[in-house]
Amino acid sequence: KAGVTQTPRYLIKTRGQQVTLSCSPISGHRSVSWYQQTPGQGLQFLFEYFSETQRNKGNFPGRFSGRQFSNSRSEMNVSTLELGDSALYLCASSWRDRAQETQYFGPGTRLLVL
Amino acid sequence: SQQGEEDPQALSIQEGENATMNCSYKTSINNLQWYRQNSGRGLVHLILIRSNEREKHSGRLRVTLDTSKKSSSLLITASRAADTASYFCATEEVGNEKLTFGTGTRLTIIP
Repeated sequence: KAGVTQTPRYLIKTRGQQVTLSCSPISGHRSVSWYQQTPGQGLQFLFEYFSETQRNKGNFPGRFSGRQFSNSRSEMNVSTLELGDSALYLCASSWRDRAQETQYFGPGTRLLVL
Repeated sequence: SQQGEEDPQALSIQEGENATMNCSYKTSINNLQWYRQNSGRGLVHLILIRSNEREKHSGRLRVTLDTSKKSSSLLITASRAADTASYFCATEEVGNEKLTFGTGTRLTIIP
């Protein structure tokens, strides 16, 4: 099976712009979670989608949003970008809901906000 | 906020030696997982241990869990240069299905 794929892999934006990141889970996986990784804050949970519904959300401002499509692919959007949004954004998929399940991570999208 | 704190933050050992890293957490958990990350890439799942388990093995990995002390350890035996990476523990909290990651241990294996 192909692994989790994320596009784009690298992205440079300027403050105030918006960005959309995409994640394609492993075939058959219905849960997709998103994480932000920065040197200062480490790995932080953004949100989880299961069968097109957001099941869980981390402590991020409303500028961060996401959605999941019927084919389980997911997108996350960040509006009005700030310098502090520069990070590695990781998505992970699992077969069922994430509790008690191994998550498989994609390679990440590295976002740089100038 | 970080649930897990890992110790040490960085560890350098000679190839062939054993590496031990520890994770402490704050709340009751359903399970604890260990992941490896190479140079800012995606995370690779290593092992999952459930709250009712005390020890688990996978190849050269041994994980222990002490729920009374809210701590876990990851032992990598006979280390190899390819084990150089950052290692993270992650906890699935009871009643809160978010996966919360620790701060990570940066392991360097010296050939």
